[in-house]
Amino acid sequence: EPEVTQTPSHQVTQMGQEVILRCVPISNHLYFYWYRQILGQKVEFLVSFYNNEISEKSEIFDDQFSVERPDGSNFTLKIRSTKLEDSAMYFCASLRGWDTLTGTEAFFGQGTRLTVV
Amino acid sequence: AQTVTQSQPEMSVQEAETVTLSCTYDTSESNYYLFWYKQPPSRQMILVIRQEAYKQQNATENRFSVNFQKAAKSFSLKISDSQLGDTAMYFCAFMKSSDYKLSFGAGTTVTVRA
Repeated sequence: EPEVTQTPSHQVTQMGQEVILRCVPISNHLYFYWYRQILGQKVEFLVSFYNNEISEKSEIFDDQFSVERPDGSNFTLKIRSTKLEDSAMYFCASLRGWDTLTGTEAFFGQGTRLTVV
Repeated sequence: AQTVTQSQPEMSVQEAETVTLSCTYDTSESNYYLFWYKQPPSRQMILVIRQEAYKQQNATENRFSVNFQKAAKSFSLKISDSQLGDTAMYFCAFMKSSDYKLSFGAGTTVTVRA
């Protein structure tokens, strides 16, 4: 069964450093998302990406964040200068769109746990 | 903006018993989708069940079923014959049909006791 793959599974970084979180969505999917979950808290929307551009971003997604789909398969989230409060689980999700037979569903990667020290 | 409310932070249930998790949402959208996700200690997000708003029939997936009340904007999850492997955090989620963005509730931690 196709799946969304995220790397690394765990990243520890120094405050102020840049990090890139990587995701490989399911190949025929058209919509891509990043979500964040601070430990024990709710899952928060960061950004959505469709047709090679950002379609929506949340207040969390400030100038320190960026996304790219550099080669048509990978989908990356970059945090330019990490802060302690960026420590969280980051989930990538992809979605094909709506299908008359199967409806719709977002497929999640297993997450990247980011720890900023 | 859509808001999703899960009013039960924690629930405990005896193995083989039934537990019901509540979820309400607020939206002005007419067409949307609703989901329940399970997050075990591994923190993987696992889809449990989904419901299209235009369908009146409540969705069922094995031991999991929902009670969807569109007018009341309520979407509760019933877990029947609870198993130890059901122990997890459960998130209710709302998806707009226009952009498929998910909005999550705060989650309910379910503990199944042996």
